[in-house]
Amino acid sequence: SQTIHQWPATLVQPVGSPLSLECTVEGTSNPNLYWYRQAAGRGLQLLFYSVGIGQISSEVPQNLSASRPQDRQFILSSKKLLLSDSGFYLCAWSQGQNEKLFFGSGTQLSVL
Amino acid sequence: AQSVTQLGSHVSVSEGALVLLRCNYSSSVPPYLFWYVQYPNQGLQLLLKYTSAATLVKGINGFEAEFKKSETSFHLTKPSAHMSDAAEYFCAVSDMGGGNKLTFGTGTQLKVEL
Repeated sequence: SQTIHQWPATLVQPVGSPLSLECTVEGTSNPNLYWYRQAAGRGLQLLFYSVGIGQISSEVPQNLSASRPQDRQFILSSKKLLLSDSGFYLCAWSQGQNEKLFFGSGTQLSVL
Repeated sequence: AQSVTQLGSHVSVSEGALVLLRCNYSSSVPPYLFWYVQYPNQGLQLLLKYTSAATLVKGINGFEAEFKKSETSFHLTKPSAHMSDAAEYFCAVSDMGGGNKLTFGTGTQLKVEL
């Protein structure tokens, strides 16, 4: 069976500090991978998606970046966090287009 | 561009009562529509999805949703609420052929009372 791991579950970081959130998928190969963010009072917003190693598409300009160093690993990063980066970050995967998304349990990021 | 609007950020129903969670969408192309649920301390799970087949879609846990093009709606219903249905529910839209680049609504928190 397939599983998705996302960590950490919660994170408190000072403004200006770096960020690295990691997501890994097990039990499948060549998945599509996604990073979503839910800011307070707003819907889930797609930040990045990847259809293969080293292939990253950014949906919105922002202070964040993503990388996919391995087939089943997706990393969300920032060099310097902003207050506005606070939110709930969700990693997800799917097998091909128009297949359902499977979500991780999320990371609650608070930038203070 | 696509968007979804979920009316009511908080909905409270009595156990055994009808659950109705509203979702209206905006899309310039035929949409795929989804309902996801997030139980406390768990990840998002797919409840059901509409992909242009039958307009009445049945999902897990007794939920169903009806696609009404004339009303641009995809409301989620369940005839009889159970305590275990308490969760946050998200409506989402993607365009056909757009892969899984979903646009989500802001969510509705469902509370079920005795």
